[in-house]
Amino acid sequence: GESVGLHLPTLSVQEGDNSIINCAYSNSASDYFIWYKQESGKGPQFIIDIRSNMDKRQGQRVTVLLNKTVKHLSLQIAATQPGDSAVYFCAENRDSGAGSYQLTFGKGTKLSVIP
Amino acid sequence: KAGVTQTPRYLIKTRGQQVTLSCSPISGHRSVSWYQQTPGQGLQFLFEYFSETQRNKGNFPGRFSGRQFSNSRSEMNVSTLELGDSALYLCASSLEGGTGYTFGSGTRLTVV
Repeated sequence: GESVGLHLPTLSVQEGDNSIINCAYSNSASDYFIWYKQESGKGPQFIIDIRSNMDKRQGQRVTVLLNKTVKHLSLQIAATQPGDSAVYFCAENRDSGAGSYQLTFGKGTKLSVIP
Repeated sequence: KAGVTQTPRYLIKTRGQQVTLSCSPISGHRSVSWYQQTPGQGLQFLFEYFSETQRNKGNFPGRFSGRQFSNSRSEMNVSTLELGDSALYLCASSLEGGTGYTFGSGTRLTVV
């Protein structure tokens, strides 16, 4: 069935290193993807998004790459900091018709930053 | 500006009871979506409301319902609670849906 998933459930990185979190999606018709960060006790927080007409988008210390050929999405965090420790989700924004959309989330990757 | 406010933050209910959760969206946002988050199933879409109308519904039983008021505030209700309904319930608001979602901190529901 259609789904949005992540390759790794946990990722540990040294402070200052770069982090790469991956995501695979199966709905080739999807045209909008979002990365969220969720800290303990909080709701998902928007990090960065990308539309299917783009291959790459950069934010502050974050970059999202989209490979439509293999239906793969990745989030790169530069110079990872302890405050980056959280669970990261990719989400696919699907058109449900009648002007409505819904987010389909992957399972999440827990990023732990080692000081 | 104020974010998305969900109340209460925590709830403990007994099986068979019903519960109502509230979500106040960001001012000016007309779309409110609800999601259930559990360790096993992750984040799953419940429903979306726009201008007081349910525009979309996820794959949940009829025990899960919701509504939206004229000020865009939304409530969701779960009747005849089951142990498996224990979860973090999140709402997200956006201007008109489709982009720019902002999530609240959620309501943690525990069913005992």
